[in-house]
Amino acid sequence: DAGVIQSPRHEVTEMGQEVTLRCKPISGHDYLFWYRQTMMRGLELLIYFNNNVPIDDSGMPEDRFSAKMPNASFSTLKIQPSEPRDSAVYFCASITSLAGLNTGELFFGEGSRLTVL
Amino acid sequence: GQSLEQPSEVTAVEGAIVQINCTYQTSGFYGLSWYQQHDGGAPTFLSYNALDGLEETGRFSSFLSRSDSYGYLLLQELQMKDSASYFCARGGAGNMLTFGGGTRLMVKP
Repeated sequence: DAGVIQSPRHEVTEMGQEVTLRCKPISGHDYLFWYRQTMMRGLELLIYFNNNVPIDDSGMPEDRFSAKMPNASFSTLKIQPSEPRDSAVYFCASITSLAGLNTGELFFGEGSRLTVL
Repeated sequence: GQSLEQPSEVTAVEGAIVQINCTYQTSGFYGLSWYQQHDGGAPTFLSYNALDGLEETGRFSSFLSRSDSYGYLLLQELQMKDSASYFCARGGAGNMLTFGGGTRLMVKP
């Protein structure tokens, strides 16, 4: 079974440009999480969805960030306009509520490394 | 700010045993997970404790004391490939995981 799939793996863009990161969760997983990782702030939860509905977006840094999950197999994280401080690795992770609290295991994608010049 | 505290770096020699400690805030606590992350890679799950006590998985063990809001990851028979960052993560409502800042483990020959 394929794991969590993210694209692009690497993106370099200029300040002010729009960035769209994509994620396909593991089939059957009903929770999807977006994390951001930087040296300074570590792994931060940005937003998570349950059954395609955003549950908690309190970690989204500001209005320039938005996330959608139009269906169970696809989610996007968009930054518009991008700024150099957005440079980070963005991870998507998924889990099934059937396991969830009993296992503490999230399945992470390989991440999207974003560099904003 | 971080609701979990763990050391930033640990160094050990090949074949040794190392313990990485983690303290956490108790509010809304469900359990404590541990993840390993190699440079340039994704976090991968190692173990999980919901109840007090020791969980053993091969060379790795994890311990939890809910009364002390404390847990640790124990790595035995260290190998060079164990050099990585290790994160404790606090489980909460909605399957949310909040991660600690990570401990960078360097294994030396």
